[in-house]
Amino acid sequence: TQLLEQSPQFLSIQEGENLTVYCNSSSVFSSLQWYRQEPGEGPVLLVTVVTGGEVKKLKRLTFQFGDARKDSSLHITAAQPGDTGLYLCAGASGTYKYIFGTGTRLKVLA
Amino acid sequence: GAVVSQHPSWVICKSGTSVKIECRSLDFQATTMFWYRQFPKQSLMLMATSNEGSKATYEQGVEKDKFLINHASLTLSTLTVTSAHPEDSSFYICSASLRVLGDTQYFGPGTRLTVL
Repeated sequence: TQLLEQSPQFLSIQEGENLTVYCNSSSVFSSLQWYRQEPGEGPVLLVTVVTGGEVKKLKRLTFQFGDARKDSSLHITAAQPGDTGLYLCAGASGTYKYIFGTGTRLKVLA
Repeated sequence: GAVVSQHPSWVICKSGTSVKIECRSLDFQATTMFWYRQFPKQSLMLMATSNEGSKATYEQGVEKDKFLINHASLTLSTLTVTSAHPEDSSFYICSASLRVLGDTQYFGPGTRLTVL
């Protein structure tokens, strides 16, 4: 069974701080996606990474896919209250099926 | 583009009744639709994958007789929770993908089911 472990599970920080969320697995994924989900809503796709070592930036968010395509990280610079939410990574293993990570709940305090 | 809707957005039912949840891709034809279940403050758990015109593929531990999935057209999939019980109360989310658009899944807004 493929598992995607995210750390930390919970994170509460002050506005303006930086943070990194990790997504780790023992399995290799053909691609990996990051989502943010707000309460009572479906997940919203932030980014897809497909190449080992790939780095993508989306404004204050930086995503990296590990060289071996087993892990990924999400770094947020100067966090804002609007960044609050549940962050989920999801890996695909060659099929069109994605396995979701355990989730990281972020709260940014004003 | 790539909008997915779900109906209803929330439903409350009595124990023992059946509930049907619809998932529609509004502006594209979805080759594949996925059904997820999410408990409070937890991640999404894939329940099943359905392709139009064929039987759904269920994940290990998901009862196919309890969670009936029908993918009758390229824009509609339904999940029926049969003989619902309080432990079936959860947030059910569908997603749709079109392979020519890559592996991107487009998620619906979810349906909150409460079984009394």
